[in-house]
Amino acid sequence: QSALTQPPSVSGSPGQSVTISCTGTSSDVGGYNRVSWYQQPPGTAPKVMIYEVSNRPSGVPDRFSGSKSGNMASLTISGLQAEDEADYYCSSYTSAGTPVFGGGTKLTVL
Amino acid sequence: QVQLQESGPGLVKPSETLSLICTVSGYSISSGYYWGWIRQPPGKGLEWIGSMYHSGSSYHNPSLRSRVTISVDSSKNQLSLKLRSVTAADTAVYYCARDIVGASGAFDIWGQGTMVTVSS
Repeated sequence: QSALTQPPSVSGSPGQSVTISCTGTSSDVGGYNRVSWYQQPPGTAPKVMIYEVSNRPSGVPDRFSGSKSGNMASLTISGLQAEDEADYYCSSYTSAGTPVFGGGTKLTVL
Repeated sequence: QVQLQESGPGLVKPSETLSLICTVSGYSISSGYYWGWIRQPPGKGLEWIGSMYHSGSSYHNPSLRSRVTISVDSSKNQLSLKLRSVTAADTAVYYCARDIVGASGAFDIWGQGTMVTVSS
């Protein structure tokens, strides 16, 4: 069960858009529409921002959107704000019937 | 309002068993959903440990399966984790969380986490 691949870091200026990628295989990301994204500011528990590729839980701003193409899922944050600075993790259901997380991406708001 | 709270020893000796409890309030575990444990070593990423349904169906991370036991006590509305033969590599913040899409990793509600250090 290998971790999904995410870039270690991304950055953007306030108001810009950033996209974080999450690359897996046909046995996880590519095989199922069960990708989730989590936001984790330092010292806090993760918070789900997207589930089932593109669904936003209530309370999550529509600046956050998710998509998937082939074996890669993406989280896009538009209208970047200082409060968006955090670590972001993706997760996916796998053919083993279990979930796996990505390695995490640190988002810096410049 | 659904809340999860982890509890247990903050220090465990090497080779011993780590035991944690997750108490759920505001929702009955027996009403549905999978309930899982996730951990995060200091400065590192998230690692799924395992998930369980109230009926007993459970899944575990293959890398930990031989050392992990997860159980649900519906009468107490609690989830428990036992991790045997711990080493320093098991030092982490341990979270419990509710999975809203089967056992797929869509965890919508998390506990605050509890730090467990493995050291003699």
